[in-house]
Amino acid sequence: GAGVSQSPSNKVTEKGKDVELRCDPISGHTALYWYRQSLGQGLEFLIYFQGNSAPDKSGLPSDRFSAERTGGSVSTLTIQRTQQEDSAVYLCASSLVGSTEAFFGQGTRLTVV
Amino acid sequence: AQKITQTQPGMFVQEKEAVTLDCTYDTSDPSYGLFWYKQPSSGEMIFLIYQGSYDQQNATEGRYSLNFQKARKSANLVISASQLGDSAMYFCAMREGRIGRALTFGSGTRLQVQP
Repeated sequence: GAGVSQSPSNKVTEKGKDVELRCDPISGHTALYWYRQSLGQGLEFLIYFQGNSAPDKSGLPSDRFSAERTGGSVSTLTIQRTQQEDSAVYLCASSLVGSTEAFFGQGTRLTVV
Repeated sequence: AQKITQTQPGMFVQEKEAVTLDCTYDTSDPSYGLFWYKQPSSGEMIFLIYQGSYDQQNATEGRYSLNFQKARKSANLVISASQLGDSAMYFCAMREGRIGRALTFGSGTRLQVQP
């Protein structure tokens, strides 16, 4: 596709369940970012992948959160034992290294009930 | 300390008027980039404009311009001739360092354009 694709667009899950969110970046983009946006708030950085380098995980809020990027392309953000405070929109972005622009996907709206 | 500060949670502007959205930043890195994104109610993040720390000129993109005052560490967005479609959340963001790193975002300003 032409842009960053995220799936699912919406996810409702029960507290305590695990969820996986997927991001398919723009082809050729080596940098990939995950952000979280709570209702009415700014974007909170979660994790950053750049090529084959070790990811920058400094934004992950707890050890229930993890992410991987396979083959330098698709990324999966996993939240284990979801809590109600995990409810938010999870945004993925990709860019070329050194690019002045990061392209965002439409996000996954996660609701934990 | 906040890296990006947007002090205006909400702004109103009349259609066809100009509006300035404030952004101040904090970094000790001499190399950085400043970004503005627009987020309409649909939720997508739309890139508007970029300013590099070494750029001599203020960035402009159509009706958008960035008023970059390096000594004051401010990077205000100016929207000229506001349109109803400009109503949205606007986020200022910064990337520190030369090599691609994650963007740090401010808390945003909600702009409402009135007819």
